[in-house]
Amino acid sequence: RKEVEQDPGPFNVPEGATVAFNCTYSNSASQSFFWYRQDCRKEPKLLMSVYSSGNEDGRFTAQLNRASQYISLLIRDSKLSDSATYLCVVSFMDSNYQLIWGAGTKLIIKP
Amino acid sequence: GAGVSQSPSNKVTEKGKDVELRCDPISGHTALYWYRQSLGQGLEFLIYFQGNSAPDKSGLPSDRFSAERTGGSVSTLTIQRTQQEDSAVYLCASSRNPSGQGFKGELFFGEGSRLTVL
Repeated sequence: RKEVEQDPGPFNVPEGATVAFNCTYSNSASQSFFWYRQDCRKEPKLLMSVYSSGNEDGRFTAQLNRASQYISLLIRDSKLSDSATYLCVVSFMDSNYQLIWGAGTKLIIKP
Repeated sequence: GAGVSQSPSNKVTEKGKDVELRCDPISGHTALYWYRQSLGQGLEFLIYFQGNSAPDKSGLPSDRFSAERTGGSVSTLTIQRTQQEDSAVYLCASSRNPSGQGFKGELFFGEGSRLTVL
């Protein structure tokens, strides 16, 4: 079983719709969680950190469910520019540099 | 520029040749990472440098892979006797010290070096 698992997609979503996807992690000791965005043939960029209480940044909402060991990303009022691959990233408190990366969920927003 | 710079952006080589990939991190970032990404896969950790500490080489897949970081800045990843399975995008990233309060999980990546081994 992979340490961080994501549905590879693609998720094909009409512009303006709401879309959500999850990421599961296997190590219950995981402490820090992040969503990165990677455009086609580009480098990953941090989208947002995921806090225990959940957090929102504009149209994006991230949530953490420790009991079920997953994090989620919800995108409201999706834009064409949201089309990208979304990477789930997990780390352990005692060595924060050891980030475990999911393979990503591909999102395609259609006009 | 102010970002992470990698070179070459593309490298095509023949099996058995050696290659060197270069990374110039953001000025002031003490941490430097090398990752490998194959098509449709997540990022595979290769090596991590932090300041003057001994690097974490635990992700290097074989002894054909090595990396250096000179003067706490520029890093070079060397792959000797390349094999076809080495074909991938090699990503370098830098960040503030992950043990410091300013880290917040943000790695800044270069655009990568796409390696193709024929």
